[in-house]
Amino acid sequence: GAGVSQSPSNKVTEKGKDVELRCDPISGHTALYWYRQRLGQGLEFLIYFQGNSAPDKSGLPSDRFSAERTGESVSTLTIQRTQQEDSAVYLCASSPTDRGGYNEQFFGPGTRLTVL
Amino acid sequence: GQNIDQPTEMTATEGAIVQINCTYQTSGFNGLFWYQQHAGEAPTFLSYNVLDGLEEKGRFSSFLSRSKGYSYLLLKELQMKDSASYLCAALDSNYQLIWGAGTKLIIKP
Repeated sequence: GAGVSQSPSNKVTEKGKDVELRCDPISGHTALYWYRQRLGQGLEFLIYFQGNSAPDKSGLPSDRFSAERTGESVSTLTIQRTQQEDSAVYLCASSPTDRGGYNEQFFGPGTRLTVL
Repeated sequence: GQNIDQPTEMTATEGAIVQINCTYQTSGFNGLFWYQQHAGEAPTFLSYNVLDGLEEKGRFSSFLSRSKGYSYLLLKELQMKDSASYLCAALDSNYQLIWGAGTKLIIKP
């Protein structure tokens, strides 16, 4: 069956440009997460969407980062005025339940962002 | 602050057993996850523990001690395909996953 998909798989951009990353969750999954993973490091939580509730944006590192999700479908993560420290793999995950208790997250393949 | 500690890298021999330890300090606790991540790929779920004790699933087992803030992942009969990073993650009181940096496991023939 279809898993979580992300696009593009790789993105190279120049410092100062804006980028938009896309995530298509598994159909029917109400919860959606964005993470950042720098080389050799663990996952850094960015933002969490649950159905039509207000998103948890507590992990966004600066106001250059924003994300949207319409209902329980596609999500986009936008990074404005990219900086070299934004270079990382951006992972999206979805889950069939909210974050309470056991909730296995299904990850997409990630978008590798390189800011020159 | 919240913190997850696990070894950076471990090496083991094909066919052997390896134990990957994880200690956690979180604001509240609602369970602990282990994920496997092959190089360049997305993490995939291995196990979830919320009660003390050992959960066995085939060649992989996961243990939790809530009083000690400690978990381990035990891999038996190691195969070359088990070479990967193993990520420990704890669920805090806000049900937010706090992730460790991962343990890179290298399997040698």
